Amino acid sequence: DAKTTQPTSMDCAEGRAANLPCNHSTISGNEYVYWYRQIHSQGPQYIIHGLKNNETNEMASLIITEDRKSSTLILPHATLRDTAVYYCIVRPPLAYSGAGSYQLTFGKGTKLSVIP
Amino acid sequence: SAVISQKPSRDICQRGTSLTIQCQVDSQVTMMFWYRQQPGQSLTLIATANQGSEATYESGFVIDKFPISRPNLTFSTLTVSNMSPEDSSIYLCSVVLGAYEQYFGPGTRLTVT
Repeated sequence: DAKTTQPTSMDCAEGRAANLPCNHSTISGNEYVYWYRQIHSQGPQYIIHGLKNNETNEMASLIITEDRKSSTLILPHATLRDTAVYYCIVRPPLAYSGAGSYQLTFGKGTKLSVIP
Repeated sequence: SAVISQKPSRDICQRGTSLTIQCQVDSQVTMMFWYRQQPGQSLTLIATANQGSEATYESGFVIDKFPISRPNLTFSTLTVSNMSPEDSSIYLCSVVLGAYEQYFGPGTRLTVT
């Protein structure tokens, strides 16, 4: 079972910030929050990950609440090419993962539609 | 990051035949994996492709059905043998960089008729 909860779908106007929420109330102390996205019929694309501090890279920002029970992925200026299904998952650091840790349960994700 | 390419991008195959999927990475990586994603489903790990040794298969997957080669640190192949319609799926190659980042190839969409 997926350990995260996300809204089924969201719309965002092109050029505006897209804020995608994720609840992970049962996250363990050593688990990271990861975000991936999948454009139709393509492989998942890594976006960003974080433990407890906010993170930013060239694609997005990740805001994690202080209690780590939820997070928000922010795409600062959404474009039409950002239309995809976005998946939030929690997992331990890959370098310290044991057997079965590379299984990825993506859940249903959030279908983000960027509107012109 | 890692740039991963897969060949073929898609194929339609007849029942009982075999297809070999190639995965090429633009840098040397230690950890390489093969996944399957059936329509509307999440990813399922098939096996870990180990360089210089036999692949490590997950429960429900066997070497006779999904033989894997990993001749070097940038290349791997997955063969889907004796195919049936139930093997219709997207097959994905994946690599791990460092302790945190996992990247996926574009996928091979297989349809078995």
